[in-house]
Amino acid sequence: EDKVVQSPLSLVVHEGDTVTLNCSYEVTNFRSLLWYKQEKKAPTFLFMLTSSGIEKKSGRLSSILDKKELFSILNITATQTGDSAVYLCAVEPSSGNTGKLIFGQGTTLQVKP
Amino acid sequence: GAGVSQSPRYKVAKRGQDVALRCDPISGHVSLFWYQQALGQGPEFLTYFQNEAQLDKSGLPSDRFFAERPEGSVSTLKIQRTQQEDSAVYLCASSLAPNTEAFFGQGTRLTVV
Repeated sequence: EDKVVQSPLSLVVHEGDTVTLNCSYEVTNFRSLLWYKQEKKAPTFLFMLTSSGIEKKSGRLSSILDKKELFSILNITATQTGDSAVYLCAVEPSSGNTGKLIFGQGTTLQVKP
Repeated sequence: GAGVSQSPRYKVAKRGQDVALRCDPISGHVSLFWYQQALGQGPEFLTYFQNEAQLDKSGLPSDRFFAERPEGSVSTLKIQRTQQEDSAVYLCASSLAPNTEAFFGQGTRLTVV
């Protein structure tokens, strides 16, 4: 069965800290791995990763994929209170060719002032 | 439209009542997804449409759940004879084409009492 596991489930840090969120997956046929940020209700897209070892970066956020070890990490440097959210990792299987996503449970990040 | 729009934002239903949740995808988007997100969990796939065709309904939890997209634009998720375990946030997402970035709506929070 395809599955995605995220760790830790929750994390509390102070502004300025650096955090690393983990995502491991098992999927029969892998197409891509995606990271989303969920505040309130709508998940918003952060990154899509398809190739191993290539870091994607956007401001203070970066992510990398290891297709051999089947995991990805999301790094946030110099955290701010606005980074407080649930971070979701999802894997898109290549079977079915629809874009259907399999999500992990999410990591709840709280950044304290 | 500017984004994926869902209505209502909140719905309280008495157990046994039928409900209908609406999704207006981004104009021109071919692919449309419904996900169910229970409290503290990641979204779980329910069903997928490509235009008006429902190509994958493998995630619908029971025959009480029914989705349609008759003209390939607006979609409705209907839940008959609601049960307490149906309480969740129902998220709709659309993408321009299969296997492209999906944009999520704000969701409908359904509470069955």
